[in-house]
Amino acid sequence: QSALTQPPSASGSPGQSVTISCTGTSSDVGFYDYVSWYQHHPGKAPKLLIYEVSERPSGVPDRFSGSKSGNTASLTVSGLQAEDEADYYCSSFAGSNSYVFGTGTKVTVL
Amino acid sequence: QVQLVESGGGVVQPGRSLRLSCAASGFTFGSFGMHWVRQAPGKGLEWVAVIWSDGSNKNSADSVKDRFTISRDNSKNTLYLQMNSLRVEDTALYYCAREGYNDGWPLDNWGQGTLVTVSS
Repeated sequence: QSALTQPPSASGSPGQSVTISCTGTSSDVGFYDYVSWYQHHPGKAPKLLIYEVSERPSGVPDRFSGSKSGNTASLTVSGLQAEDEADYYCSSFAGSNSYVFGTGTKVTVL
Repeated sequence: QVQLVESGGGVVQPGRSLRLSCAASGFTFGSFGMHWVRQAPGKGLEWVAVIWSDGSNKNSADSVKDRFTISRDNSKNTLYLQMNSLRVEDTALYYCAREGYNDGWPLDNWGQGTLVTVSS
């Protein structure tokens, strides 16, 4: 159950796009199409942004999109807005009834 | 609307026990799997445990296995986490989270968390 690997930080100017990677193994990200992404503003509850690699819950803007290739999943935030500044975590079902989060990426809007 | 309210956190000495609760409202609690997730100070999210909607199955992370037990009382709409043999490294903000309908355990609603501090 090792954490999925994310870059510690990412940044972009308002209106630009930023992409966050999430690298796992052939036992989690690479095996299951069950990658989720969460947005976490410090002091608040985490919010589900993406599930099943690329699906958005109702209410999540289509500026947020997800994809996967092999053992690496990605979250792209398009049209960056000030309120997008937050920590972002990927996660994956990892088999044997377990779950694993990524190491987290702090997104800064310049 | 969906509400999850954690309680039971506090300061406890290493080796002691603590029980966290998560009161759920706004949805049919007994129809959803539930999870505990924690975040140590300055660290990322860490999955702790899961329990099936009817309590028939459960699992926990290796880091807490044999020390923490997840349970639920569907008649009281409440999720629990019994934490025994606490260690300094268990210090964290503990969230309860609801598992959504979709496959792969997306956690679609979270509480605000309850802080557990393990210190002598």
